[in-house]
Parts: sequence; structure tokens; C-alpha cells
Amino acid sequence: ELKVEQNPLFLSMQEGKNYTIYCNYSTTSDRLYWYRQDPGKSLESLFVLLSNGAVKQEGRLMASLDTKARLSTLHITAAVHDLSATYFCAVEGTASKLTFGTGTRLQVTL
Amino acid sequence: EPEVTQTPSHQVTQMGQEVILRCVPISNHLYFYWYRQILGQKVEFLVSFYNNEISEKSEIFDDQFSVERPDGSNFTLKIRSTKLEDSAMYFCASKASGRGTGELFFGEGSRLTVL
Repeated sequence: ELKVEQNPLFLSMQEGKNYTIYCNYSTTSDRLYWYRQDPGKSLESLFVLLSNGAVKQEGRLMASLDTKARLSTLHITAAVHDLSATYFCAVEGTASKLTFGTGTRLQVTL
Repeated sequence: EPEVTQTPSHQVTQMGQEVILRCVPISNHLYFYWYRQILGQKVEFLVSFYNNEISEKSEIFDDQFSVERPDGSNFTLKIRSTKLEDSAMYFCASKASGRGTGELFFGEGSRLTVL
């Protein structure tokens, strides 16, 4: 059974600081997703990572994938308050179903 | 931009009642999914559906749950006799192609509250 672990579960950081969220998964997968979720809202797709060594960047967020280590990271550069949200990684398995991580609740303080 | 639409956005029901949640996937998509998220927890897979049949289902998706694509556009999730623990946000998702290809699109969710 595919297991996906994220850490930290909660992250409080000041504006302007950098930090990384980690996503480990237990078995080989075709692709890995990162989503953002605001309270009470749906899942906003941030990145889809397809292959080993893949790196994608959008604004202050950068995601990478190491399939050999079964590890993905979401790096936040110079955080701003608008990035406050919960971030989920999700790994694609059989029947294209996604197994989600526990989520990281990010709070960026002014 | 095409999107997955879900209705209702919020439903309140009494324990033991039947509930149907509706989804209209993106029109050329072939793979359909239901996920749920209990408040404050992670998103959990319920069921996947392709070619008019269930491809895979989780342990959560017991005999009280069923899915249907009644008319070629809607994709429904029915809960026969709701329990308190069914209270959650239910997300529908769709995809154009199978494993390892295409992107999964989520709807806005249907919040179910069971009293």
C-alpha cells in the first residue's frame, strides 16, 4: 500500500524567510502533484512532477522530485502572507488514484 | 476554461437519510473520481470510475456508497444511509487519460453535514 508522509505538519514562518516542505512516499510512482488548499476551498493544482530530477518553479514556489529517494520538496522563497494555506503532496498510483500526504499548514506572519 | 462542477455546495441531512452528490466532469474526460476530506484532515480516495464501471475503490467505499454515470454527463455519488462520520467535504475529479498521463481536475467540493 502506497504511503505518503509530509513534514512538517505545521509551519509558521516570517515574511521574507525561506523554508522547505518535504514529501516522502513508499513505492514507485508515475507522478507527483503539489496542491494548495485555502480554508473551506478546493484543491488548487500547483505542480505536476513527472520524472526524476524534475524541477518546476512558479513565483516563490519551487518543487523538485527525486524518484530514487522517493522524495519531493516544495521550497518557499522569501515567503509572503498570501502564501498562507495548507499544502498537500499527492502521489499517483494504480487506476490513477492519488494518495495524499497529511498536508502542511503554512502560516506566514507579517 | 473547462471545469468540474459539483452540486450542491452544501447539504445538511439527518442521520439515516440518503444523499446524492452530483458532479459534471469536464466534457471530454473519461476517468472520474470521488475523494473526501474530513474537516482538518487529509484528502482520501474513495472510488475511481472508467468505462461505466468502478476501477478501484477504497475501504471507505463500503456498501452504503455507490456511483453512477446516469446520462453521459453527470457523475453521482450516493450514500444510502448517512452516518455522522460521513460528514466531510466530497470532491469530484476528472481526467482525460489514464495512469501516468493527463492532469486531474478537481471540483469545488460538496460539503455534507450529517446531524
